[in-house]
Amino acid sequence: DIQMTQSPSSLSASVGDRVTITCQASQDISNYLNWYQQKPGKAPKLLIYDASNLETGVPSRFSGSGSGTDFTFTISSLQPEDIATYYCQQYDNLPLWTFGQGTKVEIK
Amino acid sequence: EVQLVQSGAEVKKPGESLKISCKGSGYSFTSYWIGWVRQMPGKGLEWMGIIYPGDSDTRYSPSFQGQVTISADKSISTAYLQWSSLKASDTAMYYCARRFGGGGGAFDIWGQGTMVTVSS
Repeated sequence: DIQMTQSPSSLSASVGDRVTITCQASQDISNYLNWYQQKPGKAPKLLIYDASNLETGVPSRFSGSGSGTDFTFTISSLQPEDIATYYCQQYDNLPLWTFGQGTKVEIK
Repeated sequence: EVQLVQSGAEVKKPGESLKISCKGSGYSFTSYWIGWVRQMPGKGLEWMGIIYPGDSDTRYSPSFQGQVTISADKSISTAYLQWSSLKASDTAMYYCARRFGGGGGAFDIWGQGTMVTVSS
């Protein structure tokens, strides 16, 4: 099975800060990596698919990059409404989807 | 509007059976895979399995194979997740989600979740 390592598990940043979350796969997953936002009490929301594609309607301050085993999710300027837990998700051809452990983002 | 609407919260006793539902609308239900995701209290997301309503092709995560059954009734655009004998450890929020296109198989539309509580 492919293992996903997401870091950090939590972070605290100020409004306007650049925030970066990483996800590392235990083997090459090409660009089969998605990012979700989950606010408390709500269902997850797709933000980025196939590593770097912004889902329709998602603000452009969110971005993703990477391929192979190393991936990065960035919020270019943190806003109060971005307080949430963020998850990466990988897909392989079994088919099998695996989520990262999540990163809780808080305002400093 | 494309949406998935899940059945309401359930409170059950250990050993009881349960079937929860996920109804799709606003799109061709038979053309997209529907997955199920578990979230235990205070924990992360776990993919359980997925079904293609067009032909009922179903795949399970090894962690959930034999523990749950996923099915669909395309005539009423509804997918199901069922247990034959619940355990306290099945207490969780369960989400259904539509698999989007793209190579990474992202889930673009999510149901609102069904909370299942198993307690004696």
